[in-house]
Amino acid sequence: GAGVSQSPRYKVTKRGQDVTLRCDPISSHATLYWYQQALGQGPEFLTYFNYEAQPDKSGLPSDRFSAERPEGSISTLTIQRTEQRDSAMYRCASSFSVHNEQFFGPGTRLTVL
Amino acid sequence: AQSVTQLDSHVSVSEGTPVLLRCNYSSSYSPSLFWYVQHPNKGLQLLLKYTSAATLVKGINGFEAEFKKSETSFHLTKPSAHMSDAAEYFCVVSAQGLTGGGNKLTFGTGTQLKVEL
Repeated sequence: GAGVSQSPRYKVTKRGQDVTLRCDPISSHATLYWYQQALGQGPEFLTYFNYEAQPDKSGLPSDRFSAERPEGSISTLTIQRTEQRDSAMYRCASSFSVHNEQFFGPGTRLTVL
Repeated sequence: AQSVTQLDSHVSVSEGTPVLLRCNYSSSYSPSLFWYVQHPNKGLQLLLKYTSAATLVKGINGFEAEFKKSETSFHLTKPSAHMSDAAEYFCVVSAQGLTGGGNKLTFGTGTQLKVEL
């Protein structure tokens, strides 16, 4: 595609519900990253994929967070049993390889009530 | 461990005057450093990057940054601000090669640039 897209752009959910966020990277990009950006802060690394492999999950805050990229293209980030502290902007980025520039999507703004 | 500190959360300048956004880094190895810009309702865009070549790095839209190892700084400058420069700017350091082979970016807390007429 022309750029990285994310859906939905905005998501409001109630505490305890599960949510799934989607990232559609630039086609031909092997590497995909997820970041979490709290209000007033910079983005923080959550996890990344190289094709369908997930070599680093060190930034995921708890086992309620999981990510997939089963076919090496589209990725989803799932948050189970959401809590108010999960409210943030979730940003996806992709790059041609781990050595190349990361291109960011517009983000998904998650609000947990 | 690596980190960046952006010394100002807000900077206000008049159109046509110079811009200086300050960033200090901490890293136990030779870092790769970046500046990203975020306009409202848009994704993050790379302005420029330093990867151990020339210490003065030129980016898009007239921005440049100088890597100073002795001061552990990577300040962003522009000679003359334009209204379209109003945005949030992030200083970023990369952990490429150190965490499972990925290129994990560590962001500063951001500097909001306001440009007044």
